[in-house]
Amino acid sequence: SQQGEEDPQALSIQEGENATMNCSYKTSINNLQWYRQNSGRGLVHLILIRSNEREKHSGRLRVTLDTSKKSSSLLITASRAADTASYFCATANTGGSNYKLTFGKGTLLTVNP
Amino acid sequence: DAGVTQSPTHLIKTRGQQVTLRCSPISGHKSVSWYQQVLGQGPQFIFQYYEKEERGRGNFPDRFSARQFPNYSSELNVNALLLGDSALYLCASSQTQKNTEAFFGQGTRLTVV
Repeated sequence: SQQGEEDPQALSIQEGENATMNCSYKTSINNLQWYRQNSGRGLVHLILIRSNEREKHSGRLRVTLDTSKKSSSLLITASRAADTASYFCATANTGGSNYKLTFGKGTLLTVNP
Repeated sequence: DAGVTQSPTHLIKTRGQQVTLRCSPISGHKSVSWYQQVLGQGPQFIFQYYEKEERGRGNFPDRFSARQFPNYSSELNVNALLLGDSALYLCASSQTQKNTEAFFGQGTRLTVV
């Protein structure tokens, strides 16, 4: 079953604008990660935020995490046409002997030149 | 450095047939996980293998099986294929069983007709 739910399902913006995507999840987590997927191919790891962190930056990416609301947001600043892709949040849950990522359904971002 | 490699990239099979998908992890990575991604959804966890042992299994029928070899490469087998097995199958490798960052291959696109 899907753990995370991204919002919105689709987002279309102009180059140079900022893009914000949100993710909600249901159970306690060790960390939350964001991935990018181009044209239904492999996933590229963007950023990881641990459950005891509230905000993290990487280049043009900014991720926030609110464990009390079980939600996270991904902000892409100064977007480029090359940022056009699907973006997924994935949670790594507490407990258990294995390590699995539970993904949401993704947000399809289109950046228009 | 080679990333995670998967073969084949595309595959067409008939209902009832069997299929084997292959994955070579990044050199030095001992954990391999398999995910199924159907169109419009996020990836779903199928298996994790670490040090050649199954460490986790998702909610998939027994028609799905996998194994990991001494060189840490892995195979995913699916028997008695159904139309609903049509999906992108992704392999992810990580250094340890509970490593925080997973590196994904480009996937195998399986079409069952």
